[in-house]
Amino acid sequence: QQQVKQSPQSLIVQKGGIPIINCAYENTAFDYFPWYQQFPGKGPALLIAIRPDVSEKKEGRFTISFNKSAKQFSLHIMDSQPGDSATYFCAASVGSGNTPLVFGKGTRLSVIA
Amino acid sequence: EADIYQTPRYLVIGTGKKITLECSQTMGHDKMYWYQQDPGMELHLIHYSYGVNSTEKGDLSSESTVSRIRTEHFPLTLESARPSHTSQYLCASSEYVGTATEAFFGQGTRLTVV
Repeated sequence: QQQVKQSPQSLIVQKGGIPIINCAYENTAFDYFPWYQQFPGKGPALLIAIRPDVSEKKEGRFTISFNKSAKQFSLHIMDSQPGDSATYFCAASVGSGNTPLVFGKGTRLSVIA
Repeated sequence: EADIYQTPRYLVIGTGKKITLECSQTMGHDKMYWYQQDPGMELHLIHYSYGVNSTEKGDLSSESTVSRIRTEHFPLTLESARPSHTSQYLCASSEYVGTATEAFFGQGTRLTVV
């Protein structure tokens, strides 16, 4: 049983569009929800993270929206650029990230000019 | 740029061979992890360590073993490689800073067993 479900599997948007990637979880003990970005040939790198005591967090063009009651969280990329083309992973952890991260299956994003 | 290194980057090896994938980090992190990434992108935790002489198996059943004799070094060994072991292997370390934990990943080792 997958603990973190991510959708869609792939996404194509025009430059300037706002891609949205969604994740859902079941384990209510999760208290840390990061998003990772992976470019081809590289390992994933932390993009932005949120804890369940806030409903939204923004860093630059990246925003996480968090709905604790629905056990869902999503990543929005404002004014998307071709350089944002990458694979995005949501993840979850117990103990503010002090236990191993459980990852979603990933979303391959392509931003076309 | 994260200071976590994996060698080799690419490896093609015959069935039945013993191999060790190396992972080193210079950040002094206690927590280290090995993930297997399949062609469909999904990351599966296979081993982790919370410090020297501490190792645990992850969620994905694996025929590999790990050791943690030094903080900076977390090698993964396959005693007898099989074609089913063909995959990308990612090593990571993490630290807790303030209210956030960040995991740093190496660039990965792409293993092909023929």
